[in-house]
Amino acid sequence: GAGVSQSPRYKVAKRGQDVALRCDPISGHVSLFWYQQALGQGPEFLTYFQNEAQLDKSGLPSDRFFAERPEGSVSTLKIQRTQQEDSAVYLCASSRSGGGSEQFFGPGTRLTVL
Amino acid sequence: GQQLNQSPQSMFIQEGEDVSMNCTSSSIFNTWLWYKQDPGEGPVLLIALYKAGELTSNGRLTAQFGITRKDSFLNISASIPSDVGIYFCAASGNFNKFYFGSGTKLNVKP
Repeated sequence: GAGVSQSPRYKVAKRGQDVALRCDPISGHVSLFWYQQALGQGPEFLTYFQNEAQLDKSGLPSDRFFAERPEGSVSTLKIQRTQQEDSAVYLCASSRSGGGSEQFFGPGTRLTVL
Repeated sequence: GQQLNQSPQSMFIQEGEDVSMNCTSSSIFNTWLWYKQDPGEGPVLLIALYKAGELTSNGRLTAQFGITRKDSFLNISASIPSDVGIYFCAASGNFNKFYFGSGTKLNVKP
């Protein structure tokens, strides 16, 4: 596709459920980033992949959060045993080369945990 | 948590006016970026700055990378209604991990 796509666009989960959020980066982009954006705030870095290698996961808030990019293309962010504080928009971005200066963002997945 | 202090938090201006917003930090960064985000969309890159002191323009937008590497500003000249949105600064020390400001919400009255 022409841009970064994310699915689903909206997800409602009951507290304690596991969720999986998908990101399709721009074809050929080496770097992929996940961000969490709370209401009224700027995006907060979660993790960074260069191809299939997860080079930085320092922003993941707890061990309930797990991200993978097994073939260096599509990525999945998984949240286990969701909590209400996990409610946010999860943004994915990709960039052509290693390093993320020209990051192209997807529209995000809005997660609501009841 | 957030390391960038972005101000103002919101602005209400008349169409045609110029706008200025800025970001400051106590940390030194090697890259400063400015993004615009519309409701329900991801941020869109407006300007990227890579060198201390650099002044870069993109149409009616001008941004500068502060000489101390701890701040940046964004100016919008002759604002128009489609400038409405939330503007974010972002900065990185290593090109991989980017910190974002909390945003400046711009409202433009026709």
